[in-house]
Amino acid sequence: GDKVKQSPSALSLQEGTNSALRCNFSIAATTVQWFLQNPRGSLINLFYLVPGTKENGRLKSTFNSKESYSTLHIRDAQLEDSGTYFCAAEAGNMGYKLTFGTGTSLLVDP
Amino acid sequence: ETAVFQTPNYHVTQVGNEVSFNCKQTLGHDTMYWYKQDSKKLLKIMFSYNNKQLIVNETVPRRFSPQSSDKAHLNLRIKSVEPEDSAVYLCASSDNSGNTLYFGEGSRLIVV
Repeated sequence: GDKVKQSPSALSLQEGTNSALRCNFSIAATTVQWFLQNPRGSLINLFYLVPGTKENGRLKSTFNSKESYSTLHIRDAQLEDSGTYFCAAEAGNMGYKLTFGTGTSLLVDP
Repeated sequence: ETAVFQTPNYHVTQVGNEVSFNCKQTLGHDTMYWYKQDSKKLLKIMFSYNNKQLIVNETVPRRFSPQSSDKAHLNLRIKSVEPEDSAVYLCASSDNSGNTLYFGEGSRLIVV
């Protein structure tokens, strides 16, 4: 099965509302990264996390290594937040390899 | 602002042809990567290079080969493309193992 499972797979939000995306890991993740793939196809790095929480503007992310999950909270969603969000986990024994989740497709409507 | 540059952005070719994708990073990073993103948007690593040494190779078909002239460049060569090679190929770099990845905009390959 998937080593990094993301939920939901797709999400539609009204502008100005809040939501949360989640990743569950079946590998012993040591670090987590969150990316947004924009319409041009580039993956933009949002967060690099060791266990704990980081916040950047309207985005906040938590990585709980003991319970093997990470969340990405979006506050006051804007149109430009639309895209596909990916989480990726590095496991201590996997060297330079990140394992990516299956992605959450987010559409923010006016 | 883009700091990982990929060319070409888009390429259509026939089965059996050879294809090369170029990647350059201007971040001074030590490690570069190639990922494949399939039609379901699943991302899987193909190669990573650190100081001209191949350190990860995810059992990709032998027709794929990475080529690096220096730490700022990592090209991807496909010797004889097959239909299942149709995908978006994404180049990335990082300053150390496991640190933040910076991606290029991808190179879409269509094999007809």
